[in-house]
Amino acid sequence: RKEVEQDPGPFNVPEGATVAFNCTYSNSASQSFFWYRQDCRKEPKLLMSVYSSGNEDGRFTAQLNRASQYISLLIRDSKLSDSATYLCVVTGRGSTLGRLYFGRGTQLTVWP
Amino acid sequence: NAGVTQTPKFQVLKTGQSMTLQCAQDMNHEYMSWYRQDPGMGLRLIHYSVGAGITDQGEVPNGYNVSRSTTEDFPLRLLSAAPSQTSVYFCASSYSNRFNYGYTFGSGTRLTVV
Repeated sequence: RKEVEQDPGPFNVPEGATVAFNCTYSNSASQSFFWYRQDCRKEPKLLMSVYSSGNEDGRFTAQLNRASQYISLLIRDSKLSDSATYLCVVTGRGSTLGRLYFGRGTQLTVWP
Repeated sequence: NAGVTQTPKFQVLKTGQSMTLQCAQDMNHEYMSWYRQDPGMGLRLIHYSVGAGITDQGEVPNGYNVSRSTTEDFPLRLLSAAPSQTSVYFCASSYSNRFNYGYTFGSGTRLTVV
C-alpha cells in the first residue's frame, strides 16, 4: 500500500468554484502534513502546512483527521492561477524522520 | 538569499557514463533530500540526510550515491547511467522535520540518458 493516496483527478472547474481534494496516509505515526503546489515542469512549492485543528490561508483551508488518517484541502473562489497539481505530503517519524512521502498529485484546471 | 541551487538544469548522458548532480543550500538547513519525478509516479525519494556526515537510503537508491561532508552541499552521483534513470531530479532541504517546517525545493535537473 502506498504511504500517501490522493484523488487522481483531474479536476476541471470554472472560475469562482469551490473545489476539495482529499488524501489518506498509511502511517499513523506520521508527524507533519503539508500541501504542496507544483506548476508544469516546475519544482513543488509549499502551499500550506496542515495542523490538527485545521487552518486557513486566504481562500485555502486545510483539515487533518488523525483518527481517520485523512487530509483535505478546500479552495474557495477558484482563480485561473490556481491551475496546478496539488501534492499531499506527509513526513516520517522515528527512523524515517528525514523522509517526505508524496502522493501522486491531483491536477486542477480552472477555466474562465 | 539563493535558497536551494541545483546544477546543471539539463543534462544528456550516454549509457554507462557517470556524473554528479550538485545541490547547495544557503539556509543552514539540516535536512536534505534527493527525489526523482517520473510521469505517473509522483516524487520518489532516492537518498536523504539529516545532517552533515549522515545519509540514508530512500525508496529508489540503486544506481545512486550521496555524501554530506558539509551542511550546505548534498551531491548526487550516478555511477553508471542507464536509460531508466531518465527523469527530473529535485533536491530539497528543510530546517527541521519537526513542527511543520516545510521543505524548499531546487528548480530541478532534467536528465536524459541515451
